[in-house]
Amino acid sequence: DGGITQSPKYLFRKEGQNVTLSCEQNLNHDAMYWYRQDPGQGLRLIYYSQIVNDFQKGDIAEGYSVSREKKESFPLTVTSAQKNPTAFYLCASSDGGHYSNQPQHFGDGTRLSIL
Amino acid sequence: GQSLEQPSEVTAVEGAIVQINCTYQTSGFYGLSWYQQHDGGAPTFLSYNALDGLEETGRFSSFLSRSDSYGYLLLQELQMKDSASYFCAVRGAGSNYQLIWGAGTKLIIKP
Repeated sequence: DGGITQSPKYLFRKEGQNVTLSCEQNLNHDAMYWYRQDPGQGLRLIYYSQIVNDFQKGDIAEGYSVSREKKESFPLTVTSAQKNPTAFYLCASSDGGHYSNQPQHFGDGTRLSIL
Repeated sequence: GQSLEQPSEVTAVEGAIVQINCTYQTSGFYGLSWYQQHDGGAPTFLSYNALDGLEETGRFSSFLSRSDSYGYLLLQELQMKDSASYFCAVRGAGSNYQLIWGAGTKLIIKP
């Protein structure tokens, strides 16, 4: 079955540490996204990518970095510069590129906490 | 700025009908979407409206009025499994056409 796989499900970060969240999709979608969700709030876009080797900042990109070396993979690194990283991180993909109105398909998320 | 407003919580009885409203303020408008998210889970797509009117998909319907910058999600024959949060999301011309998400409406269903 096609879908999006995020790992790990739970992640703990120590002070000053960078951590990387994995996102893999086998839907053959061009566009991929990273969102952050805080309790009782909607999704906020961190980064998105329309095509391999290209990505754009969303509204809250500071303290995060991404890469898109393969169509299937879009890992997110939460750097030590992100002072409040505790949140639920969701990866999504969609067909037709960022500007299309195709629905976004989501992974099951990674819950990141500070030790 | 761009913003969406939806009620934070709605309570309904099993078997009843419930409507979740969404008003938006965006620069340009390219469609209103609805997603469902169970606690701790992934959002799943429910419906999409680009033009005025009602779209029906089984027990769920979604309505859009572009002149009023307003839409709603209608859930009929409520089941306990419909207990979840429901998010409206709008694609506007601002913020490089990214989806802007509402804060979500938590639907509580009582037996």
